[in-house]
Amino acid sequence: NAGVMQNPRHLVRRRGQEARLRCSPMKGHSHVYWYRQLPEEGLKFMVYLQKENIIDESGMPKERFSAEFPKEGPSILRIQQVVRGDSAAYFCASSPPWGPQHFGDGTRLSIL
Amino acid sequence: DAKTTQPPSMDCAEGRAANLPCNHSTISGNEYVYWYRQIHSQGPQYIIHGLKNNETNEMASLIITEDRKSSTLILPHATLRDTAVYYCIGDQAGTALIFGKGTTLSVSS
Repeated sequence: NAGVMQNPRHLVRRRGQEARLRCSPMKGHSHVYWYRQLPEEGLKFMVYLQKENIIDESGMPKERFSAEFPKEGPSILRIQQVVRGDSAAYFCASSPPWGPQHFGDGTRLSIL
Repeated sequence: DAKTTQPPSMDCAEGRAANLPCNHSTISGNEYVYWYRQIHSQGPQYIIHGLKNNETNEMASLIITEDRKSSTLILPHATLRDTAVYYCIGDQAGTALIFGKGTTLSVSS
């Protein structure tokens, strides 16, 4: 009974590089959510996706950030041209329709 | 999304019951009360949720007042591993969760 799987657990990038964070939802879950937790701050919603559709991206920064949840494969959160302020823990959650969200252990992104 | 109010911190002795309160006076009729916790910097862990009735699972019990304006999460026998930040969230299923500052529960021996 695998939970939400995120990889990598830790990711180091230099300023200007691209970061790709992956999330495999729990079996049977068709909804995926991404959250960000900046150092010493609370979790903030970024984006909510269902298979091949973005449902709510109201928390996503307007530039450099994108997310997808293809028909096959994991959900991907992509950050282009990373800056120091992108350093954070990024958490993915999944849920069935009308069920509670279950979170992964996150990806810690560090920008040099 | 319902605004929730929780005490910033609470202490509990190991083996005793931990009762964590939450006020959600603006909760609407179709919003659930969810409880999560975050241990150190791990991913939030789902604990329990309810709409109107009291709920119990292997982790905790959730008591919701009849007017649904407040609730209490009960950990019946707290252990050191229950030390965490506990979040009470009022939300509809299938939408983004809005995390506040939560209650930092410290369990000591």
